[in-house]
Amino acid sequence: AQSVTQLGSHVSVSEGALVLLRCNYSSSVPPYLFWYVQYPNQGLQLLLKYTTGATLVKGINGFEAEFKKSETSFHLTKPSAHMSDAAEYFCAVSDRDTGRRALTFGSGTRLQVQP
Amino acid sequence: DTAVSQTPKYLVTQMGNDKSIKCEQNLGHDTMYWYKQDSKKFLKIMFSYNNKELIINETVPNRFSPKSPDKAHLNLHINSLELGDSAVYFCASSQASHENQPQHFGDGTRLSIL
Repeated sequence: AQSVTQLGSHVSVSEGALVLLRCNYSSSVPPYLFWYVQYPNQGLQLLLKYTTGATLVKGINGFEAEFKKSETSFHLTKPSAHMSDAAEYFCAVSDRDTGRRALTFGSGTRLQVQP
Repeated sequence: DTAVSQTPKYLVTQMGNDKSIKCEQNLGHDTMYWYKQDSKKFLKIMFSYNNKELIINETVPNRFSPKSPDKAHLNLHINSLELGDSAVYFCASSQASHENQPQHFGDGTRLSIL
């Protein structure tokens, strides 16, 4: 079964510092890859996704992620953290061509941004 | 305009009761989902419906019964509530054309069992 690992349940950065949130997936066939953000008491909002083509994908709010097949990774980055980036971030995958469609989520990483 | 709306937002009830959560989407999607988020924030798929047909049932107890009256609605009924059912339940929808379509989530229903 597909699994997603997010290293670091909590990440703390200073405002203006680089944000790096790690995500690795388990399948030998690269799945579709997503990053979602969850603000307190809200639902999940799509940040970005990778399906095919260019391996560096840009999302909303200045985030981007790079798909690296050799490392089975899809790490999320942002050059300069803002206080408003403090939230829970989830990496998720969807199997290719199985018709299953459900997302398998990582355990989440809480991002804290210090002033 | 709320794309995926769930009601109620909060639900506090006693063990043994039966309750329902409603979900509606106005995105014209044909696939809808229920996810459960536990106290450690872990999210897991429960059910998925495509055009009112159940396509995923992830070993969820029989006490949970989804119902899809049309492709814009997916409700969740829970019988004989247990303490372990306390969680946040998220409804989501997507276009079924392909697995690469992102899912759109509601704001969640926070269920607390006393």
